[in-house]
Amino acid sequence: EAQVTQNPRYLITVTGKKLTVTCSQNMNHEYMSWYRQDPGLGLRQIYYSMNVEVTDKGDVPEGYKVSRKEKRNFPLILESPSPNQTSLYFCASSRYNEQFFGPGTRLTVL
Amino acid sequence: RKEVEQDPGPFNVPEGATVAFNCTYSNSASQSFFWYRQDCRKEPKLLMSVYSSGNEDGRFTAQLNRASQYISLLIRDSKLSDSATYLCVPAHGSGNTGKLIFGQGTTLQVKP
Repeated sequence: EAQVTQNPRYLITVTGKKLTVTCSQNMNHEYMSWYRQDPGLGLRQIYYSMNVEVTDKGDVPEGYKVSRKEKRNFPLILESPSPNQTSLYFCASSRYNEQFFGPGTRLTVL
Repeated sequence: RKEVEQDPGPFNVPEGATVAFNCTYSNSASQSFFWYRQDCRKEPKLLMSVYSSGNEDGRFTAQLNRASQYISLLIRDSKLSDSATYLCVPAHGSGNTGKLIFGQGTTLQVKP
């Protein structure tokens, strides 16, 4: 089954404790991206990657890092999470503008 | 001004009603347009692409007006299962280099 998976689905953590949210897709898509969704602000792109070892900033990259060492994986790293990074995060992969989203990761930073 | 403007709603309609959503976008360079559907606390999913000539998919009709920079979605014969948030999504660029800009969404509640 074609899908994008994310882990963990839910995470409660404390300020400053490094965390990684994993994302994996099995559709052989070159383009992957990370979004955060907040009430009243909609989906905002954090980072995107057009291929292995090619990443670039989206609209709200501050406080986040990504890597793309393999085509299928695109982890999101929060080196020092802060409460304003509490949000719902979606990973997506795409081909020709149709984006396939993962199920989301609900992150709470205390 | 937001790059994509949508009336957040909610639109509360009875089953069987016809409902229309509009969306305006500010970037005239947008080349592709989409409607995504998002159920509560779930991931967005592509509902349909929007073509210049307009397109229909069953009960759903999408229209694009480039001159006025707005996109519309019409849902006929609403079903309870149509209850969701509908996201208007223009894209800059094309193919795999396109950047999608998501609107905040319009919430539809279909009542029995």
